[in-house]
Amino acid sequence: GAGVSQSPSNKVTEKGKDVELRCDPISGHTALYWYRQSLGQGLEFLIYFQGNSAPDKSGLPSDRFSAERTGGSVSTLTIQRTQQEDSAVYLCASSTKLGWTEAFFGQGTRLTVV
Amino acid sequence: GENVEQHPSTLSVQEGDSAVIKCTYSDSASNYFPWYKQELGKRPQLIIDIRSNVGEKKDQRIAVTLNKTAKHFSLHITETQPEDSAVYFCAARMDSSYKLIFGSGTRLLVRP
Repeated sequence: GAGVSQSPSNKVTEKGKDVELRCDPISGHTALYWYRQSLGQGLEFLIYFQGNSAPDKSGLPSDRFSAERTGGSVSTLTIQRTQQEDSAVYLCASSTKLGWTEAFFGQGTRLTVV
Repeated sequence: GENVEQHPSTLSVQEGDSAVIKCTYSDSASNYFPWYKQELGKRPQLIIDIRSNVGEKKDQRIAVTLNKTAKHFSLHITETQPEDSAVYFCAARMDSSYKLIFGSGTRLLVRP
């Protein structure tokens, strides 16, 4: 595709359920980021993948959060046993590794935990 | 780890006036500083960026300045227009890790 694609666009889930959020980066982009944006707030870094290197998981808020990136392309962010405070927009971005380059964002997944 | 502080959190200006948003970063190894604009309900989009080997960059009404010694960088918007109203985020990235850390955002309101 032409840009970063995320699915679903919206997700409503019951407290305690697990959810999976998907990100399709721009073809050829080796760097992939996940951010969380709570209502009216900033972009909170969650996790970063770069090629075949070990991901930087330093931003994950708890062990309920995990992410994978298969084949260096598609990434899935999983939240287990969701809590109401997990409600936010989850944004994915990708960029090339070469030099100082733009990170392109997807449209985000709005997660609502009820 | 890297930390980016941004201020002000909100900024209201009259149409035609200038707006300045400032950011400071903690890690001297940071070498890439992009600015993103996020309109309501939309994804963040890059508006301008600067590299550590450059002190200033301009693109029409937008300019960014970088002071590596003081570890701060600023966004300047001149002749503001109502369509400039949005949330602006600064960010910093280290060459060694490519981890991109954002500031907390500035909500800019341009009053017609």
